[in-house]
Amino acid sequence: KAGVTQTPRYLIKTRGQQVTLSCSPISGHRSVSWYQQTPGQGLQFLFEYFSETQRNKGNFPGRFSGRQFSNSRSEMNVSTLELGDSALYLCASSRTSGGPSYEQYFGPGTRLTVT
Amino acid sequence: QQQVKQSPQSLIVQKGGISIINCAYENTAFDYFPWYQQFPGKGPALLIAIRPDVSEKKEGRFTISFNKSAKQFSLHIMDSQPGDSATYFCAGTFQGAQKLVFGQGTRLTINP
Repeated sequence: KAGVTQTPRYLIKTRGQQVTLSCSPISGHRSVSWYQQTPGQGLQFLFEYFSETQRNKGNFPGRFSGRQFSNSRSEMNVSTLELGDSALYLCASSRTSGGPSYEQYFGPGTRLTVT
Repeated sequence: QQQVKQSPQSLIVQKGGISIINCAYENTAFDYFPWYQQFPGKGPALLIAIRPDVSEKKEGRFTISFNKSAKQFSLHIMDSQPGDSATYFCAGTFQGAQKLVFGQGTRLTINP
């Protein structure tokens, strides 16, 4: 079974631009979560989507948004990029949401560099 | 109340030794505690997980010990190998949230 895939793997953007990252979950997984990983703040939860609905949201500004499509694929968007948005953005999928906690499986991440 | 505190930040163990990483949580609503292993340039990989109604879980060389009353849990890696050198993260989450709250990570180095 193929794992979680994320595209692109690397991205360089200029401050003020916007960016869209994509995530394809493991087949059959309907919940997709996004995390930001930085050396200073570690791994932080951004948001989670299930059945095209945002179910949970972390403490990030409104510049960070996401969506999920009917095939469970998800995208996250960051507008008006700031230097501090440079990070590894990780997507994780799991079988379900709203019930018992299930294992989350992570993709390789997208390394975003803002200059 | 969401924090998970992890220690030590870095750990060096000789090959064949036991590696021990500790975590403490605050949110008593957490009902699932996974450990992840991350190699440079890779995403975190689920290693082993435990629920609070179990005091210990063992999978191969990896064991989680869980102390509900103390709100602490730990990862033991027996017979540590150089290939175990990685960063390890503990986490907690609560029912239905699918929102992992991670510890700060432990960089483990196994010397040959």
